[in-house]
Amino acid sequence: KQEVTQIPAALSVPEGENLVLNCSFTDSAIYNLQWFRQDPGKGLTSLLLIQSSQREQTSGRLNASLDKSSGRSTLYIAASQPGDSATYLCAVQGNTPLVFGKGTRLSVIA
Amino acid sequence: SAVISQKPSRDICQRGTSLTIQCQVDSQVTMMFWYRQQPGQSLTLIATANQGSEATYESGFVIDKFPISRPNLTFSTLTVSNMSPEDSSIYLCSVEVGTGAQYFGPGTRLTVL
Repeated sequence: KQEVTQIPAALSVPEGENLVLNCSFTDSAIYNLQWFRQDPGKGLTSLLLIQSSQREQTSGRLNASLDKSSGRSTLYIAASQPGDSATYLCAVQGNTPLVFGKGTRLSVIA
Repeated sequence: SAVISQKPSRDICQRGTSLTIQCQVDSQVTMMFWYRQQPGQSLTLIATANQGSEATYESGFVIDKFPISRPNLTFSTLTVSNMSPEDSSIYLCSVEVGTGAQYFGPGTRLTVL
């Protein structure tokens, strides 16, 4: 059974800092991995999708990497801003529906 | 990508009643999904809804409690039946498009008293 773990559970950083969020999964037989952002009480916003054949994807200040063989992904956020404060979720798609981690709650302090 | 809307955005309901949540997509999609997010938790898939067939429910979820309709390729409803306070959650619908990316609606925040 696929399990997804996200570390740390919460993170507080000063504005301008670069940061890394971690995601690990137990079954490397995945089709893709997706990173989402969720603001309090809201739905999910898709940030980046990495196919299993890809190593990384970039969008603006965000860069996500995937090491399928080791069951790891990282989300790198450059020059963090207070508007980046949210919960970040990773989810993997394999032969089962999307499996989500519990998220990392990020606070960027001005 | 896909733009998804949900109605209602939030509701407060009495124990024992039912609520139907609507999900509308701006394009035709084969698969639609319904998730539940309990307070402080991550998302759990309730069921997958394909147009023209019965929904497929995940372990722990049953049709009598969460009946789903999928009348066409852009619309679905989820009903939460005979509600109890334990059903208080955010309910989200999502769709899969293109290369496997999933897009989510804004969610319905349900409080059961």
